Amino acid sequence: DADVTQTPRNRITKTGKRIMLECSQTKGHDRMYWYRQDPGLGLRLIYYSFDVKDINKGEISDGYSVSRQAQAKFSLSLESAIPNQTALYFCATSRTGQNQPQHFGDGTRLSIL
Amino acid sequence: GNSVTQMEGPVTLSEEAFLTINCTYTATGYPSLFWYVQYPGEGLQLLLKATKADDKGSNKGFEATYRKETTSFHLEKGSVQVSDSAVYFCALRGTGNQFYFGTGTSLTVIP
Repeated sequence: DADVTQTPRNRITKTGKRIMLECSQTKGHDRMYWYRQDPGLGLRLIYYSFDVKDINKGEISDGYSVSRQAQAKFSLSLESAIPNQTALYFCATSRTGQNQPQHFGDGTRLSIL
Repeated sequence: GNSVTQMEGPVTLSEEAFLTINCTYTATGYPSLFWYVQYPGEGLQLLLKATKADDKGSNKGFEATYRKETTSFHLEKGSVQVSDSAVYFCALRGTGNQFYFGTGTSLTVIP
């Protein structure tokens, strides 16, 4: 089983719809992150959370919200989807500590028509 | 601020060729540096890391040395294989504990 699981893996939806992407982890890590990946732009941080009571905006948080329901779960919502939010979305986790790497899920490919 | 600049791709090499993917960084303090690899349809996987100046990270024949004087962390492999075809990302973890990623370099190895 994957340590970091994202659902759904693929989603096609229409402009204006509300969408939730879910992430769960079995690694026991405190920190969780949401990124989007666009061709030529690499990964850009949307939101991150260092524990259940801690939520922080990343580089591109406008149009997104998150919820850290438990240590193991971190969901990303698009309240009213727009076509330029079409992208590949990744959840990642890490332990506390500067030397600790991030561990990624397999991604959710989201298309907004 | 913190940022990572890596070599633009795509890079195409013949099997057994030598690989270098350049990565330079800007950071406050003393970041940790990482290389990640992304295979088609998958998430990023940690390839190697280095946590202080002059450290060398290595894994699966890939190496990178943390060079503080040139603020670089270039990825190298002496003999690439077709199975190394993927996108490679350089990243740093700064003192604020956020990660900063380069834009990725696509590598294709042909037999």
